[in-house]
Amino acid sequence: NAGVTQTPKFRILKIGQSMTLQCTQDMNHNYMYWYRQDPGMGLKLIYYSVGAGITDKGEVPNGYNVSRSTTEDFPLRLELAAPSQTSVYFCASSYPEANEQFFGPGTRLTVL
Amino acid sequence: QQQVKQSPQSLIVQKGGISIINCAYENTAFDYFPWYQQFPGKGPALLIAIRPDVSEKKEGRFTISFNKSAKQFSLHIMDSQPGDSATYFCAARGTSGTYKYIFGTGTRLKVLA
Repeated sequence: NAGVTQTPKFRILKIGQSMTLQCTQDMNHNYMYWYRQDPGMGLKLIYYSVGAGITDKGEVPNGYNVSRSTTEDFPLRLELAAPSQTSVYFCASSYPEANEQFFGPGTRLTVL
Repeated sequence: QQQVKQSPQSLIVQKGGISIINCAYENTAFDYFPWYQQFPGKGPALLIAIRPDVSEKKEGRFTISFNKSAKQFSLHIMDSQPGDSATYFCAARGTSGTYKYIFGTGTRLKVLA
């Protein structure tokens, strides 16, 4: 049972490049979340999903897209990277009505 | 926009002392208040949590105090240890059925040996 896994661990992008951050969970959780963490700002919700095929925006969705074709996977897409997207990105999952979110180890992204 | 305000931003405590971190929320539409602990280079992990119908919850050295009328809740770490040095986040979960969380800005705790 690996929990929530994220790839890559680190990535440097140039302005305007695109990339996909991968997130996979093996706990059969319906709910999945993407957060970004900036120094002194806590965690901000980007997108979340309540099940396969269902996604919705969080607090800071601009510049990102998501899809949820399976219960296990919830990739986050950056289409045109900007320096403002430099951050640490965390994926999390939970059961419906469950009280604990399980977080992945994070992806540190730098956009230059 | 719903907010959860957390203080202090950083905290230094002597070993064996009490660490206290405070959070306040502005919206009543929350039904669950967790605290997360994060070590450098790791994802946050649930430490302890409370529901608004309870005023206090204790798990080992960690206690949450909850004041519903004041819309405030706090984390107390008794007998603080160097291993408790980490960043702590409070959070509040919305009641809309979507299970969206709003996080505080975090408190960096350092416990001196």
